Amino acid sequence: EIVMTQSPATLSVSLGERATLSCRASQSVSTNLAWYQQRPGQAPRLVIYGASTRATGIPARFSGSASGTEFTLTISGLQSEDFAVYYCQQYSNWPLTFGQGTKVEV
Amino acid sequence: VDLLESGGGLVQPGGSLRLSCAASGFTFSSSAMSWVRQAPGKGLEWVSGISERGGSTYYADSVKGRFTISRDNSKSTLYLQLDSLRAEDTAVYFCAKMYNWNEFDFWGQGTLVTVSS
Repeated sequence: EIVMTQSPATLSVSLGERATLSCRASQSVSTNLAWYQQRPGQAPRLVIYGASTRATGIPARFSGSASGTEFTLTISGLQSEDFAVYYCQQYSNWPLTFGQGTKVEV
Repeated sequence: VDLLESGGGLVQPGGSLRLSCAASGFTFSSSAMSWVRQAPGKGLEWVSGISERGGSTYYADSVKGRFTISRDNSKSTLYLQLDSLRAEDTAVYFCAKMYNWNEFDFWGQGTLVTVSS
């Protein structure tokens, strides 16, 4: 099983600032990596797929990048609706696995 | 795209439940589907996936042999049969559409399963 490790567990940022979230895979997943946003009481929403492609309707302030087994989600100019928990997920191998999540808070 | 789960509820340990996910707004028979769960206050855990025609199924080790995924393309409905339930199966169960067996591009709102005596 591929283990996905996210850091930090909690990220405290201010409105308008940049947030940088990290995700590491225990082995290569190529670019078979997605990021999801989950607001309290809501279902997850796809933000990034293919490590760096924004999903439909996702603002340009969200960007994803990859370097080997290290993945980064960057949110530039945080807005109030961006405060949420973000999960990375690999779809390179079964079983599909998620990271434990990073909470972005004010 | 709309995914509407149902069938959750309170069940005793060792009991069974059948979850359903009614899909609309896309060609259901052309999409692989999955179930993902989230225990209270915890993260996301993929549970099971099924191919477009149902010929291939996959399970997390934690549910293998106890849960069964299936689909009825004529009804655009996904199912998850939960047997031999344990307290640790308590979670919100989400139905999710998969894009080409890859990422989960659409999610339902979930149905809560509580396993308790």
